[in-house]
Amino acid sequence: EVQLVQSGAEVKKPGESLKISCKGSGYSFTSYWIGWVRQMPGKGLEWMGIIYPSDSDTRYSPSFQGQVTISADKSISTAYLQWSSLKASDTAMYYCARDRYWGQGTLVTVSS
Amino acid sequence: DIVMTQTPLSSPVTLGQPASISCRSSQSLVHSDGNTYLSWLHQRPGQPPRLLIYKISNRFSGVPDRFSGSGAGTDFTLKISRVEAEDVGVYYCTQATQFPWTFGQGTKVEIK
Repeated sequence: EVQLVQSGAEVKKPGESLKISCKGSGYSFTSYWIGWVRQMPGKGLEWMGIIYPSDSDTRYSPSFQGQVTISADKSISTAYLQWSSLKASDTAMYYCARDRYWGQGTLVTVSS
Repeated sequence: DIVMTQTPLSSPVTLGQPASISCRSSQSLVHSDGNTYLSWLHQRPGQPPRLLIYKISNRFSGVPDRFSGSGAGTDFTLKISRVEAEDVGVYYCTQATQFPWTFGQGTKVEIK
């Protein structure tokens, strides 16, 4: 069974750093692109970027270029989304997704 | 970027009646490999999105056959033959033909 299991909810202060994860199982992790999706409170879905774990080829949507870093560790079948300095506007639910499968989401709350 | 435009944005429907959602892309979604990477997702409140339809018209595993997808090029449609109570929520189309991948704004389906 294909599964994408994400790390738990986070509460952070503005300016702090954060790295959330998405662990794939039940399939060949290196054979599929994995994307990250942001959903701000009460809003729609936005693709942030994608990574191909086999060679770490990474592409960012223009709105998110320079704002986040996407990475993957194929040895542990895990993709990551990280921020170096969080802002209140980063408060959102973040999903990882493969072509047909979605993680359960990680809620990130940034508040002073 | 390819812009995905969904109509309507809100759809009050009667149980047992059909529903239809349109998704139009600003460019053709036919990939150079001949496939059209247009998918439909359903998101219930408080839940992650789940895939309904991929590559225009292919129902994902476990999706009831009352859901169907059609279209080509830049115009696509999701149809629900007979709406059931569990079908409420927001429906999104998304394209993965050209990066950055993009979503439609979402169509909220609710029961009258």
